[in-house]
Amino acid sequence: NAGVTQTPKFRILKIGQSMTLQCAQDMNHNYMYWYRQDPGMGLKLIYYSVGAGITDKGEVPNGYNVSRSTTEDFPLRLELAAPSQTSVYFCASSAQGAPYNEQFFGPGTRLTVL
Amino acid sequence: AQSVTQLGSHVSVSEGALVLLRCNYSSSVPPYLFWYVQYPNQGLQLLLKYTTGATLVKGINGFEAEFKKSETSFHLTKPSAHMSDAAEYFCAVTTNTDKLIFGTGTRLQVFP
Repeated sequence: NAGVTQTPKFRILKIGQSMTLQCAQDMNHNYMYWYRQDPGMGLKLIYYSVGAGITDKGEVPNGYNVSRSTTEDFPLRLELAAPSQTSVYFCASSAQGAPYNEQFFGPGTRLTVL
Repeated sequence: AQSVTQLGSHVSVSEGALVLLRCNYSSSVPPYLFWYVQYPNQGLQLLLKYTTGATLVKGINGFEAEFKKSETSFHLTKPSAHMSDAAEYFCAVTTNTDKLIFGTGTRLQVFP
């Protein structure tokens, strides 16, 4: 099992550009999550999904969009990149929802917006 | 609403010393609690979790945590620190939602 994979590992964007962060898992997990991690701030939930075709906003969804057409993939879209979106982005998945939702994390994507 | 507070953003210990990382939670319903570890330039991985039952939970790499309802705490300990324990540690809580609430993290430094 590869677990949770994320691409790219690093990316530099110019203000106003758009990009898609890819996330895939091969564990047949229904639940998938996108977080951003900023220094000293812990992890903030951007969007999550409880199954294919179902997504919902987390704590900090503004400036992002997601889709979940398959169980395996959960891409995160940035439409108009802003410096405030400079962060490390983590994708995670879990087999169950609350309260047993042990989450498995990908290695992260480090994004810089200049 | 649920929340997690990790006291001390940085903790430094000598190799062989006791490690104690503090976590307090707030929850209106019985909490399920997790500790995750993040090594440099990596994602998070689960150290241990408390759901129900025994309040002293053992995890990987010699870590353990004790759930104390009366103190709303879930502190992480390890009797003897190793250089390889240097990392950032996150406490998290979930209750009746499909989301985890993470603390802001504690960076552990281990000195030889």
